Amino acid sequence: DAGVIQSPRHEVTEMGQEVTLRCKPISGHDYLFWYRQTMMRGLELLIYFNNNVPIDDSGMPEDRFSAKMPNASFSTLKIQPSEPRDSAVYFCASSFRGTGNTIYFGEGSWLTVV
Amino acid sequence: DAKTTQPPSMDCAEGRAANLPCNHSTISGNEYVYWYRQIHSQGPQYIIHGLKNNETNEMASLIITEDRKSSTLILPHATLRDTAVYYCIVRSISNSGYALNFGKGTSLLVTP
Repeated sequence: DAGVIQSPRHEVTEMGQEVTLRCKPISGHDYLFWYRQTMMRGLELLIYFNNNVPIDDSGMPEDRFSAKMPNASFSTLKIQPSEPRDSAVYFCASSFRGTGNTIYFGEGSWLTVV
Repeated sequence: DAKTTQPPSMDCAEGRAANLPCNHSTISGNEYVYWYRQIHSQGPQYIIHGLKNNETNEMASLIITEDRKSSTLILPHATLRDTAVYYCIVRSISNSGYALNFGKGTSLLVTP
């Protein structure tokens, strides 16, 4: 079975540019999560969706960050404008409530803002 | 969700059992104990979870004390590929508390 698929795997961009990270959850999963990982702050939950509806976005750092889930098989995390402090690994994860709620993670998108 | 306490690092010799402790003294009745690990440069990987009974799967065993205030993850025969950061997470499976909140975890180094 295909796992959670994220793209791009690596991105280097200049400060002020827009960054869009993409995620395809595991088919049939009804929850989707976006996490960010840095050395200083560890793994932080940014936002999560249930049935394509945002449930908790309290972890989104500021208005420069936005996340959408237009359908059950696709989500985006957008940063506009990007700043060097946004450099991190961004993980997408998904789960299905009916299978013990195990959350499965993608391999991450490594973002560097210069 | 209840807070967890884990040692920051541990060593284990290859082939021996690795026993990773976790303290969760404020756990409540509807909270599960989950273990994940993260191998360098990869996404976190689910290992095992339990409520109050001990659990075993192909990866590990989870021992939860009777009062549920602590647990131990056991990797029965550690290999070099088990070197990773191990996260113990207490999680309420309710409508409002569905996500995983990661702490700092235990960095396990398996040595030859």
